[in-house]
Amino acid sequence: QQQVKQSPQSLIVQKGGIPIINCAYENTAFDYFPWYQQFPGKGPALLIAIRPDVSEKKEGRFTISFNKSAKQFSLHIMDSQPGDSATYFCAVTGTASKLTFGTGTRLQVTL
Amino acid sequence: NAGVTQTPKFQVLKTGQSMTLQCAQDMNHEYMSWYRQDPGMGLRLIHYSVGAGITDQGEVPNGYNVSRSTTEDFPLRLLSAAPSQTSVYFCASSVTGGTLVFEQFFGPGTRLTVL
Repeated sequence: QQQVKQSPQSLIVQKGGIPIINCAYENTAFDYFPWYQQFPGKGPALLIAIRPDVSEKKEGRFTISFNKSAKQFSLHIMDSQPGDSATYFCAVTGTASKLTFGTGTRLQVTL
Repeated sequence: NAGVTQTPKFQVLKTGQSMTLQCAQDMNHEYMSWYRQDPGMGLRLIHYSVGAGITDQGEVPNGYNVSRSTTEDFPLRLLSAAPSQTSVYFCASSVTGGTLVFEQFFGPGTRLTVL
């Protein structure tokens, strides 16, 4: 079964815009919620992560918003740049020593 | 530090052939894992290991075997390749906190085509 649902599948924004990517999960045992960024031909790399005891975390232009009651979390990219064009994956992990990924969002930032 | 290394980078197999994808890390991470990445499917966990001598199945283990004889190495074996195994394979190693998998460091990937 799909434990993490990610949307949208693809997203195009203009430079300076604020793309938002959403993820919803089902299992309340998850306790760590990372986002990974992947450029073409490369492996994914950790971008930012959050624990469920906080509702928001910012690192530079990247922000995670977390809604524990709704079992949803989202990634916001402030002042997006063409260099942010990549595929973004949300993920969840908890009691099973496994990291489960969403299906990915391909972001394109145009000039 | 080299991080996580994978070989080969590209491979073409015929149906029924077997092969081993190599993965090594020099960060002394106990946790290692293998994923396959297919369009529209994200990254799906094949097998993982929480330490030398310990392995377990992920979401899509059928057709693959792993072993973990050392902390550094975690090879993935395809027993009898099938066209459905055409994919990009990533190995990763991680810091863990109990059962939580924290930052995963991914290798550059192996692009496998099965004809």
